[in-house]
Amino acid sequence: AQSVSQHNHHVILSEAASLELGCNYSYGGTVNLFWYVQYPGQHLQLLLKYFSGDPLVKGIKGFEAEFIKSKFSFNLRKPSVQWSDTAEYFCAVNERSSASKIIFGSGTRLSIRP
Amino acid sequence: EAGVAQSPRYKIIEKRQSVAFWCNPISGHATLYWYQQILGQGPKLLIQFQNNGVVDDSQLPKDRFSAERLKGVDSTLKIQPAKLEDSAVYLCASSLNSRGADTQYFGPGTRLTVL
Repeated sequence: AQSVSQHNHHVILSEAASLELGCNYSYGGTVNLFWYVQYPGQHLQLLLKYFSGDPLVKGIKGFEAEFIKSKFSFNLRKPSVQWSDTAEYFCAVNERSSASKIIFGSGTRLSIRP
Repeated sequence: EAGVAQSPRYKIIEKRQSVAFWCNPISGHATLYWYQQILGQGPKLLIQFQNNGVVDDSQLPKDRFSAERLKGVDSTLKIQPAKLEDSAVYLCASSLNSRGADTQYFGPGTRLTVL
């Protein structure tokens, strides 16, 4: 069965620090990969997704993620975080076939010190 | 563009009682999803509809949970009877279609507390 691992449950950074959140998945086939974000008091929303092409994907608010197939990883990065990046971040994966359900990781809570 | 609407936002019930949640997806979205998110975990898919047909309900506890999407638009999720472990946030999401890479748009969720 597919699974997604986010090893960092809570990350605390100062503003302007660089960010990397880890995401590993277990599935041997072709996959789509997603990062969703939930800001305090807001809905879960898509940050970025990979489904084909360039393995380096750029999303909203300066975030990017790199799909490394050999490592089954899809880590999220941002070179310089802001206080407004405080949120919960979820990595997710599904099999690249029609109607395949998305499996979410357990999430990483990011706290930014102003 | 209006987002996914859910009601109620909060619900507190006692175990063995019944509860129902309502979801109105984004207009024109054929696919609707219900997720359960327990505190400290990621969302878990309970059921996925394509129009008014069920695509996946493999993780829906069918002895107590039921869901319907009669006219292919609004949907209701019911729990009867509720157990303590059903305490969670119930999220509704919709997407244009059910292609794997389609973006899902989430509603605000209903926070259920079972006492």
